Amino acid sequence: QKEVEQNSGPLSVPEGAIASLNCTYSDRVSQSFFWYRQYSGKSPELIMSIYSNGDKEDGRFTAQLNKASQYVSLLIRDSQPSDSATYLCAVRYGGYSGAGSYQLTFGKGTKLSVIP
Amino acid sequence: EAQVTQNPRYLITVTGKKLTVTCSQNMNHEYMSWYRQDPGLGLRQIYYSMNVEVTDKGDVPEGYKVSRKEKRNFPLILESPSPNQTSLYFCASSLDYTDTQYFGPGTRLTVL
Repeated sequence: QKEVEQNSGPLSVPEGAIASLNCTYSDRVSQSFFWYRQYSGKSPELIMSIYSNGDKEDGRFTAQLNKASQYVSLLIRDSQPSDSATYLCAVRYGGYSGAGSYQLTFGKGTKLSVIP
Repeated sequence: EAQVTQNPRYLITVTGKKLTVTCSQNMNHEYMSWYRQDPGLGLRQIYYSMNVEVTDKGDVPEGYKVSRKEKRNFPLILESPSPNQTSLYFCASSLDYTDTQYFGPGTRLTVL
């Protein structure tokens, strides 16, 4: 059973603080990990992708991957009210081939609220 | 502008009346996919297509059909819609199945 677990929140942080969003997944043989942001009523948009263990930074966003612990996180530094949205973690399961590897499995999302 | 388009954006229909939601991308992407999003259940994949004429079931395919006759188009067909198919539908595409998926604007469907 493919599972991607996220704390549904809401997670509230004050403006300027660091927001930490977490995601765990159930299949050790997973290749690709994505964080999407979704504003209410809008489509998901990609924030970060990460494929190997460690940290990946892009502006105020840092994705962290730990395959041994089956854990991926997203840190948002200097949080702004415009960061208030639902953040979706997505995992591509399976190896480099096979039916499971052709699909993305999404978590249910964490709602982030940045308080001015 | 590179984009995924969906039509219609909003649709209210009645049980049993066949409908088609269109999806088109202009990025020459191989991979296309349909998702539905429901409160408390998140995004779930309905069908996906690796390339022209190659489609496969996702996690919730019951009640849906798809076709991929051209690379750019991937319509979602509901032959006999039922109220439990009331949902927000997203089409997505990517260069291939390993790459980032880009989402269309969504279609909000209500089946009465």
